[in-house]
Amino acid sequence: ETGVTQTPRHLVMGMTNKKSLKCEQHLGHNAMYWYKQSAKKPLELMFVYNFKEQTENNSVPSRFSPECPNSSHLFLHLHTLQPEDSALYLCASAQGGYSGANVLTFGAGSRLTVL
Amino acid sequence: AQSVTQPDIHITVSEGASLELRCNYSYGATPYLFWYVQSPGQGLQLLLKYFSGDTLVQGIKGFEAEFKRSQSSFNLRKPSVHWSDAAEYFCAVGGEIYSGAGSYQLTFGKGTKLSVIP
Repeated sequence: ETGVTQTPRHLVMGMTNKKSLKCEQHLGHNAMYWYKQSAKKPLELMFVYNFKEQTENNSVPSRFSPECPNSSHLFLHLHTLQPEDSALYLCASAQGGYSGANVLTFGAGSRLTVL
Repeated sequence: AQSVTQPDIHITVSEGASLELRCNYSYGATPYLFWYVQSPGQGLQLLLKYFSGDTLVQGIKGFEAEFKRSQSSFNLRKPSVHWSDAAEYFCAVGGEIYSGAGSYQLTFGKGTKLSVIP
């Protein structure tokens, strides 16, 4: 248990479905991240929130919609996804602030399959 | 732009043997360097980090890494591998680079998968 909890752990959805991934951290951190991990590719940063404000949107398609209601919770809303969006989605948290020295604590991930 | 290269996609070692995983980075100033490990079905766990000071850093589970500025490398080592070390290992570099809306990115390598033969 890392202190970062992701639900669901596995999700199968059709291309027309709407679903959400949830992330919760109990570490008192102020920054939260969404990463996408696909086979044979480096981790791709998707979104960053610092103190609930979105500070990074790494050219992510609009079919992915993040939401950060407070510093402890982060959601990724999914709609009209494509099969190539199938991947492991990792949530992470960190102390926050603008620093490359941020040490990330990761959740176990949500394995998404788009049919 | 910063980048990380892990030249070995897959390494197999015998239990008890020594291990070295290679990592080369590209960055214009002093980098922050990290090694993370990912077990099957899990997220990434921090093994160790280098920010400044002593270039040989110790981490968890008996791992160490050495920062060599002249070679732009941050190789991970372990003197004696255990079967439980089988996992995927990721090197990452972070730095004071402005990116996008004002935050700083951590760039990961593609990972090296370690298999351990009993």
